[in-house]
Amino acid sequence: AQTVTQSQPEMSVQEAETVTLSCTYDTSESDYYLFWYKQPPSRQMILVIRQEAYKQQNATENRFSVNFQKAAKSFSLKISDSQLGDAAMYFCAYRSAFGYGGSQGNLIFGKGTKLSVKP
Amino acid sequence: EAGVAQSPRYKIIEKRQSVAFWCNPISGHATLYWYQQILGQGPKLLIQFQNNGVVDDSQLPKDRFSAERLKGVDSTLKIQPAKLEDSAVYLCASSLRRDLTHHEQFFGPGTRLTVL
Repeated sequence: AQTVTQSQPEMSVQEAETVTLSCTYDTSESDYYLFWYKQPPSRQMILVIRQEAYKQQNATENRFSVNFQKAAKSFSLKISDSQLGDAAMYFCAYRSAFGYGGSQGNLIFGKGTKLSVKP
Repeated sequence: EAGVAQSPRYKIIEKRQSVAFWCNPISGHATLYWYQQILGQGPKLLIQFQNNGVVDDSQLPKDRFSAERLKGVDSTLKIQPAKLEDSAVYLCASSLRRDLTHHEQFFGPGTRLTVL
């Protein structure tokens, strides 16, 4: 079974600085998707960025970028020019590209990292 | 485009009571998911529907939890009877199709359940 591990329960960053959140995963599959979701206090999960495992190029979305190391099974999120609105829980998630039976499309989440942004 | 709607936002019940949560997915989305998020943890899938059929309920505690998606649109998740360990946020999500696995899952605001 696939697992996702986020080893940093909490992180803090100064406004306008850069912070990196860590994520490792375990899988025997060769094709899959990785995601970072943001969950503010309102509880609504918002997709931040997505990475397809077959792509070597790291995904970027404005101030958000990832460092995807497939061999090491590592998927970190870098937030540049941090803003107060970035404060939230961040979840790393895994999704099989194919799946079998009912597992297709299911997201497997880590425990999350709480990010605080100091003004 | 309207997002995923859920109600109620909060619910407090006594143990052994029953409770139901409602979800209305994004229009046209065939796949609907219910997740349970216990405090301090990431969401865990309870059940997945494709239209009005269940495709994965392997992690649903079927002795007390049930869910349905009549007509392939709205869905209801029920707990009967509730236990203290059911206290959690229940998230509903929808996606266009389950077999297009890159399709994004859109989440609702969740229902926070407290069992006393």
